[in-house]
Amino acid sequence: GAGVSQTPSNKVTEKGKYVELRCDPISGHTALYWYRQSLGQGPEFLIYFQGTGAADDSGLPNDRFFAVRPEGSVSTLKIQRTERGDSAVYLCASSLIMQGDEQFFGPGTRLTVL
Amino acid sequence: GDSVTQMEGPVTLSEEAFLTINCTYTATGYPSLFWYVQYPGEGLQLLLKATKADDKGSNKGFEATYRKETTSFHLEKGSVQVSDSAVYFCALSDKAGNNRKLIWGLGTSLAVNP
Repeated sequence: GAGVSQTPSNKVTEKGKYVELRCDPISGHTALYWYRQSLGQGPEFLIYFQGTGAADDSGLPNDRFFAVRPEGSVSTLKIQRTERGDSAVYLCASSLIMQGDEQFFGPGTRLTVL
Repeated sequence: GDSVTQMEGPVTLSEEAFLTINCTYTATGYPSLFWYVQYPGEGLQLLLKATKADDKGSNKGFEATYRKETTSFHLEKGSVQVSDSAVYFCALSDKAGNNRKLIWGLGTSLAVNP
């Protein structure tokens, strides 16, 4: 079946602009995670959704970052007033809690802030 | 807080050599442990996992054993191939509650030469 998809695959924007990154999880997966991976680093947790609600947003770096999942499926990560330090690959993963811990990752969105 | 420390790379080996990538962790509870792999140009894929002490995860000739006494989860393969060239990430997730956010190591780049 289809895996996790993310769009766009690449996004180049200018400092100060607003961006939206979309994640389409595996159908039926109730848990959804966003991570950020900077060059040469491991992924860093941003936010976790269980269904429609953000159950843990402790990894969001500041209030410029926000994410939604209004119908419990597709999620959008929103970044306001982008800064050069926001440049990274943004990863989305989904999982079925009842089947244990495996998270399935999308290919990521590479965000470049000029 | 929880953390993962893994061996720095890059690691360069000849085909058929033995591979070890060290991974140790710090966690307050009894986490699940994972190795993910990222092949060039591809997304993160689960390689293997172990959910409790003394469990051995294995896949594609790779193995790792969950050692609670040494808080380690070292990745091994007896005979590497050129196709194993990739970045390998060790990660853990806390089993408390439904949030299975992953805490990651920095990644170890492996290059296998023919």
